[in-house]
Amino acid sequence: QQPVQSPQAVILREGEDAVINCSSSKALYSVHWYRQKHGEAPVFLMILLKGGEQKGHEKISASFNEKKQQSSLYLTASQLSYSGTYFCGTVMSGGYQKVTFGIGTKLQVIP
Amino acid sequence: NAGVTQTPKFQVLKTGQSMTLQCAQDMNHEYMSWYRQDPGMGLRLIHYSVGAGITDQGEVPNGYNVSRSTTEDFPLRLLSAAPSQTSVYFCASSYRGVNDEQYFGPGTRLTVT
Repeated sequence: QQPVQSPQAVILREGEDAVINCSSSKALYSVHWYRQKHGEAPVFLMILLKGGEQKGHEKISASFNEKKQQSSLYLTASQLSYSGTYFCGTVMSGGYQKVTFGIGTKLQVIP
Repeated sequence: NAGVTQTPKFQVLKTGQSMTLQCAQDMNHEYMSWYRQDPGMGLRLIHYSVGAGITDQGEVPNGYNVSRSTTEDFPLRLLSAAPSQTSVYFCASSYRGVNDEQYFGPGTRLTVT
């Protein structure tokens, strides 16, 4: 089942902060975050695993609430390069080998 | 390393034609997957493979076949193209399975008329 992302779109001025949320109705083993710029392929940002392990870029911050099946991606001091569509993907608990992606959050950073 | 490569970049098919989208990676990744991306619908998993000789269905497998005879290659076959298969197709791979960073190929833009 597809995770739900919010907001669907957000416009920021350079230097402002934003939070993108992702929630699922299923018990999750991991949450994945990717960013896609227009006309390009998605690029990995971070994975958060059940139990607290995280893999990803040092400048990216995210959280995973295992009890609520929710994750948040924190973008601080935004730069123009942060613009793009952010996708969260979820892997259900139980040995599943599939990532199910949300429909994305479109972020635009303006000068 | 070339990473994940996909061919062709663009393709136009007529309804009923068949074709194979090619995907290859040179990073010795075990896990490979195919997604389609349509406006407003995110990335939807078509098929995936956890290793050579092993494939399984994703969310939207109908109309597509895959095989994984080698670690490097994971072709996607459209059996009889339909306009509903007009989409951008991405292949991705990861080293340690689904819970690892996925590297995406550049995509194939397919139009079915």
